[in-house]
Amino acid sequence: KAGVTQTPRYLIKTRGQQVTLSCSPISGHRSVSWYQQTPGQGLQFLFEYFSETQRNKGNFPGRFSGRQFSNSRSEMNVSTLELGDSALYLCASRDGTGPYGYTFGSGTRLTVV
Amino acid sequence: EDQVTQSPEALRLQEGESSSLNCSYTVSGLRGLFWYRQDPGKGPEFLFTLYSAGEEKEKERLKATLTKKESFLHITAPKPEDSATYLCAVQGSAGANSKLTFGKGITLSVRP
Repeated sequence: KAGVTQTPRYLIKTRGQQVTLSCSPISGHRSVSWYQQTPGQGLQFLFEYFSETQRNKGNFPGRFSGRQFSNSRSEMNVSTLELGDSALYLCASRDGTGPYGYTFGSGTRLTVV
Repeated sequence: EDQVTQSPEALRLQEGESSSLNCSYTVSGLRGLFWYRQDPGKGPEFLFTLYSAGEEKEKERLKATLTKKESFLHITAPKPEDSATYLCAVQGSAGANSKLTFGKGITLSVRP
């Protein structure tokens, strides 16, 4: 069974640009969450999607947005990139709405220069 | 707001030297407490979910326990391959809360 796939693995962008990251969940998983991981703040919740609907959103500015498609694949977008957006962006999927284990992908390492 | 504090920040053990990692939490209605292992450059790998105080789960050299305020990850006779960052997270039941709140993690180094 394939795991959670995130693309690309690495990305370098210039301040002010925008970026789109992609996540393919485990087959059959309808819930996809996104997290930002930095050395100073650790893992912080961005948002969660379930059946194409955003169910929850973290405390991030409106520059961070996401969506989920009918096949459960998800994308997140960051507009007007800032240096502080440099981080490891992690996607996680699960197969229900209960407190089951989330399976994480390997992440996309975004560097803003 | 849910909070998770992990201690110590870093732990260095000799191979075979057992120890425990601590996770203290405050949450509005615990739906689940999660332990993950993360290796450098990789995403977190799921280890355990604990749902209620008194629950224990084991996997190889790892044993996770849960009280109403803390969880411990006990590592028995660790090996160098157990070196990693161990993350604790909670999921509360307040409102439509479906997110995980993570601690900063504990970096474990096991020397041969």
